[in-house]
Amino acid sequence: AQSVAQPEDQVNVAEGNPLTVKCTYSVSGNPYLFWYVQYPNRGLQFLLKYITGDNLVKGSYGFEAEFNKSQTSFHLKKPSALVSDSALYFCAVSLNTGGFKTIFGAGTRLFVKA
Amino acid sequence: DTGVSQNPRHKITKRGQNVTFRCDPISEHNRLYWYRQTLGQGPEFLTYFQNEAQLEKSRLLSDRFSAERPKGSFSTLEIQRTEQGDSAMYLCASSSRGQSYNSPLHFGNGTRLTVT
Repeated sequence: AQSVAQPEDQVNVAEGNPLTVKCTYSVSGNPYLFWYVQYPNRGLQFLLKYITGDNLVKGSYGFEAEFNKSQTSFHLKKPSALVSDSALYFCAVSLNTGGFKTIFGAGTRLFVKA
Repeated sequence: DTGVSQNPRHKITKRGQNVTFRCDPISEHNRLYWYRQTLGQGPEFLTYFQNEAQLEKSRLLSDRFSAERPKGSFSTLEIQRTEQGDSAMYLCASSSRGQSYNSPLHFGNGTRLTVT
């Protein structure tokens, strides 16, 4: 079955340290991968996407993600975490099912401590 | 870009009642999606429209759920004979006329349903 997995329920990091939020996927064909963020009491917001090309993609708020085809991973990264980055992060994949629908991982809660 | 609008923000209903939610997508977007999100989980796909055509409906949806998008503009999601297990946040998203696999979703703030 096509799916996306986020192996960590929670990630804790100190402000100023680099952060990584992990994502692995299982899809047939080319993967179209996304990261979204959900702040408290707000809707999900798009952060970045990988469609094709460079394996390192850059997105909003200083986030970037690395696509690794051999490991079927798409980890979200940021060189220096901010307290304001604390939120719920979702990895997602767009599937070709005739049309295209997006399915989401279960989410990873990021806590950045001052 | 006024964003995706969902109404109501909150709905409390008694088991067995019918409820209807409305979603107004970003005006130039032709694709509209409904998702359901429960606490601690990612959004779960429910259904998807391209213009007024409903192209896919999740097998997880029972016959009590129905969605419409008349004239390809706003959409409604109706749940008949609500059950406590229907309690969740219902999210609407829209995306642009570009390649559908390439277009990120723009989400509304959701409608939180509580069935008592």
